[in-house]
Amino acid sequence: QVQLVQSGAEVKKPGASVKVSCKASGYTFTGYQLHWVRQAPGQGLEWMGWINPNSGGANYAEKFQGRVTMTRDTPITTAYMELSSLRSDDTAVYYCARGNLADWGQGTLVTVSS
Amino acid sequence: DIQMTQSPSSLSASVGDRVTITCRASQVIRNDLGWFQQKPGKAPKRLIYTASSLQSGVPSRFSGSGSGTEFTLTISSLQPEDFATYYCLQHNTYPWTFGQGTKVEIK
Repeated sequence: QVQLVQSGAEVKKPGASVKVSCKASGYTFTGYQLHWVRQAPGQGLEWMGWINPNSGGANYAEKFQGRVTMTRDTPITTAYMELSSLRSDDTAVYYCARGNLADWGQGTLVTVSS
Repeated sequence: DIQMTQSPSSLSASVGDRVTITCRASQVIRNDLGWFQQKPGKAPKRLIYTASSLQSGVPSRFSGSGSGTEFTLTISSLQPEDFATYYCLQHNTYPWTFGQGTKVEIK
């Protein structure tokens, strides 16, 4: 069965960077886009962008352009989302999701606090 | 960006009630719309894809309809496990955008 397993919770200081991983299994990793979605505490869902695991090409929401980088390591079927210049309003649960968001990781809480 | 206007933002209903949630897109998105259910502390779960196709394993009391700009999620007979927050998502045009959510609470 399809599984997306994300890395553990992180606490970062403002201005730092965070890199969240998403280990995929149960399907052909290079066959589906991998998206990232975040959810601030008590708020709705926000789409951040996607990566094509086959080509490595990525498409980011304009809001995150210049601060986000999505990469992948195909041999270990793992995708990564790195967000830099963190601010307090980046505190959120970050999810990876496959294809048209049919399958989701369990989420990674990133807390930005001084 | 395409705006997804979801209504209502919350509703109170009883077990057995028929519940309808609506999403309106700010421009035509064909049928490139999904519906998701999220329970507290959990990842969202896709219920409906391409506006009206039921995700495998999802109970048949859930249904979706619509095309173009107006979409509806219907729960035909609300069950205790259906109390959650529901989101629509358009995946026609980047950036993908979600509705603001509908919280379904127990009356």
